[in-house]
Amino acid sequence: GENVEQHPSTLSVQEGDSAVIKCTYSDSASNYFPWYKQELGKRPQLIIDIRSNVGEKKDQRIAVTLNKTAKHFSLHITETQPEDSAVYFCAAGNTDKLIFGTGTRLQVFP
Amino acid sequence: DTAVSQTPKYLVTQMGNDKSIKCEQNLGHDTMYWYKQDSKKFLKIMFSYNNKELIINETVPNRFSPKSPDKAHLNLHINSLELGDSAVYFCASTPKRGRPNTGELFFGEGSRLTVL
Repeated sequence: GENVEQHPSTLSVQEGDSAVIKCTYSDSASNYFPWYKQELGKRPQLIIDIRSNVGEKKDQRIAVTLNKTAKHFSLHITETQPEDSAVYFCAAGNTDKLIFGTGTRLQVFP
Repeated sequence: DTAVSQTPKYLVTQMGNDKSIKCEQNLGHDTMYWYKQDSKKFLKIMFSYNNKELIINETVPNRFSPKSPDKAHLNLHINSLELGDSAVYFCASTPKRGRPNTGELFFGEGSRLTVL
């Protein structure tokens, strides 16, 4: 069945450092790869997404890369800030159905 | 204005009871979903409705019955609640299915169900 693996499950970084979260997916038909951020007690919210016809996308301090051949995609956060602390979820699928990764708890220490 | 709203936010009940969670979206979206987030934070899709029609049912037990009276509402009824049903249930919506669609899921605030 469809599966999305996400690593690491927890990540601690110092403020100003970079953070990288990686995901792999199993369904080769997947063409849409969003990333969601969930702060404690809140709802998940989309922070960035990428489609299969693009290899990289950047939005200020956040970037995503996609390797369709290897079925890998990654989230890169540069110059991390304490407010980046949250659980991050990758997802893969299409715009009708998404399978979420298992989440990464990111802690940014001041 | 709350785009996707769920009620109740918290629900504590005994095993064996029946309960419902309601969801409404005012975004004009055609597609609505129920997701379950367990204690380990895993987010799993349960159901999807497009304009009142069930299009995704992820092998959820028959005790869970979604109902969509119109495309702005998607309710979830759970019979004979079990301990393992304790979780946060998120409703979500997206714009029209199959058409140029950003794919972004707009989540409600979640309904935390605790079964004792």
